[in-house]
Amino acid sequence: KAGVTQTPRYLIKTRGQQVTLSCSPISGHRSVSWYQQTPGQGLQFLFEYFSETQRNKGNFPGRFSGRQFSNSRSEMNVSTLELGDSALYLCASSLAGPEAFFGQGTRLTVV
Amino acid sequence: GQQLNQSPQSMFIQEGEDVSMNCTSSSIFNTWLWYKQDPGEGPVLLIALYKAGELTSNGRLTAQFGITRKDSFLNISASIPSDVGIYFCAGRIIQGAQKLVFGQGTRLTINP
Repeated sequence: KAGVTQTPRYLIKTRGQQVTLSCSPISGHRSVSWYQQTPGQGLQFLFEYFSETQRNKGNFPGRFSGRQFSNSRSEMNVSTLELGDSALYLCASSLAGPEAFFGQGTRLTVV
Repeated sequence: GQQLNQSPQSMFIQEGEDVSMNCTSSSIFNTWLWYKQDPGEGPVLLIALYKAGELTSNGRLTAQFGITRKDSFLNISASIPSDVGIYFCAGRIIQGAQKLVFGQGTRLTINP
């Protein structure tokens, strides 16, 4: 069974631009969560989607948004990029229990 | 918000030694998870713990869910070079919600 797939693996964007990251969960998993990982703040929860609905949200500004499609694939969007948004963005999928399985992440660099 | 205090932050050991690390919190968790992350990769789930006092093993790894539900421990026995990486604890507070709170990580370095 294929794992969680995130695309692209690497991105370089300029301040003020927007970016969209994609995540395909493990087949059959309906919950998709997004995390931001930085050296200073560690792993921080962004939001979770289940059956196309946002179920939980972390403490991030409204520039960070997401959505989930009927096939459980999810996208995350960051608008008006700031230098501080440079991070590894991780997607995790879950079946029913608390176990979250992570993808390899998308490394975003804002210049 | 909830925070997990993970210690130690880093460990430098000899191959073959045993390793212990732990996480503590001021909040009660209903699930504890332990992950390992290699450079450039996402975290990989090692062990999941579901109830207070639970002791679970996965090969050379053993983890325990503290009886107060505010802490968890991970032990690695007879370390080998491929154990190198960063280990994270994660806790879930809300039943049924996929929101994990992570510790700061323990970076393990092994001298052959």
